[in-house]
Amino acid sequence: AQSVAQPEDQVNVAEGNPLTVKCTYSVSGNPYLFWYVQYPNRGLQFLLKYITGDNLVKGSYGFEAEFNKSQTSFHLKKPSALVSDSALYFCAVRDLWGRQLTFGSGTQLTVLP
Amino acid sequence: GAGVSQTPSNKVTEKGKYVELRCDPISGHTALYWYRQSLGQGPEFLIYFQGTGAADDSGLPNDRFFAVRPEGSVSTLKIQRTERGDSAVYLCASSPRGDSTDTQYFGPGTRLTVL
Repeated sequence: AQSVAQPEDQVNVAEGNPLTVKCTYSVSGNPYLFWYVQYPNRGLQFLLKYITGDNLVKGSYGFEAEFNKSQTSFHLKKPSALVSDSALYFCAVRDLWGRQLTFGSGTQLTVLP
Repeated sequence: GAGVSQTPSNKVTEKGKYVELRCDPISGHTALYWYRQSLGQGPEFLIYFQGTGAADDSGLPNDRFFAVRPEGSVSTLKIQRTERGDSAVYLCASSPRGDSTDTQYFGPGTRLTVL
């Protein structure tokens, strides 16, 4: 069975500082990895995904994520945080055969002005 | 273009009642997914349609839950004899092809409250 762990329920960072939201996964075979963001009372918005190729994936709103196969991690990063980045972030994984996404429990990011 | 839409946005019902939740996917997307998100948790998979057929319904919690997609577009999630534990946000997503590399695009969800 596949699984995702987001070890931090809450991440606080000052505006302008770099941010990292951590994600580790477990899956049989090669993983397909996704990050989504959820604003209050809204659905999930797609940020980026890793399928194959370059381990550093760039996505929407200046976010990027680095796939590390040996550490089974896919941490989300941004060089300079904005107050408007404050939201709930979800990491998700899918394997080669499945169609469903398995999500982590989410990390609440708060960017302080 | 238009994204995934879900109606109603909020539904309050009484224990034991029947409810239907509707999802309109992005036009042309062949795959449609239903997830359930409980408070403080990530979404959990319920069912996946490829075209009109339910390709994977392994996430449906019991036989009170049923979903259809009769014409390969709009889908309805049906819950019979609702229980308080069914209270959650029900999310619908669609994707162009339904393969493993596809991106799923989510709707705003329906918040179901069972009193």
